[in-house]
Amino acid sequence: QKEVEQDPGPLSVPEGAIVSLNCTYSNSAFQYFMWYRQYSRKGPELLMYTYSSGNKEDGRFTAQVDKSSKYISLFIRDSQPSDSATYLCAMSSPSGGSYIPTFGRGTSLIVHP
Amino acid sequence: NAGVTQTPKFRVLKTGQSMTLLCAQDMNHEYMYWYRQDPGMGLRLIHYSVGEGTTAKGEVPDGYNVSRLKKQNFLLGLESAAPSQTSVYFCASSYIRGSTDTQYFGPGTRLTVL
Repeated sequence: QKEVEQDPGPLSVPEGAIVSLNCTYSNSAFQYFMWYRQYSRKGPELLMYTYSSGNKEDGRFTAQVDKSSKYISLFIRDSQPSDSATYLCAMSSPSGGSYIPTFGRGTSLIVHP
Repeated sequence: NAGVTQTPKFRVLKTGQSMTLLCAQDMNHEYMYWYRQDPGMGLRLIHYSVGEGTTAKGEVPDGYNVSRLKKQNFLLGLESAAPSQTSVYFCASSYIRGSTDTQYFGPGTRLTVL
C-alpha cells in the first residue's frame, strides 16, 4: 500500500459544477499538505498549502485536512474549462530535519463547457 | 526570475548511450530534486540535494547519478540508458524554512530510450 492514495480518474464534470478531489494517507507523521495543479505537458505548480488540520480557502479553491481520518480534500467551486488539469496531492513531515514530500498519483479533471 | 529551468526539453537516446540533464534555479534555494513521472505512477523521487556538494538517494535511484557542484545547478546523469528510463523528468527546488517544503518545478524533459 502506498503512503498516499489518490484516485487517478478521469473525473469529468460540466462547467459550473463543484468538484471534490481527495487523497488518503497512512503516515500519521504528515503535517504539511499541498495540492499541485499540472497542465498537460507542463510542470506541477503549487495551488494550495495547509499546515495540520482545518480548512483553507483561496478564491474558488478550498483545501480541507482531516488528520483524524487521514483524509484531505480539494474543492473547486464554479469549475471552469481552464481548471482541466491533473491535480496532485502531496504531504510531508519534518522527519530527520527534511520535509521531502510524498506525492499522490494525481487525479485527471476534465471540465467540459 | 526564470525560476527553474531544464535542459534539454526533449531527447531520444539509444540503449546504452549516456546523457546529462541540467537543472538550474535562480531563487537561491537550498533543496533541489529530480523526479520522474510515468503514466499511472505519479511523481517518483530519484535523487535530491540539501545543499551544494551534497546528494541523497530517493525512491528510485538505480541507473542514475547526480551532482550539485554549484548551489544553483543540479545535474542528473544516465550512464547507460535503458528503455525503462523512458519518462518525463522534472527538476524542482525549494526553500528551507523549517516549516515548509513548497517546491517549484521546472517544465520537464521528455526522454525516450529506444
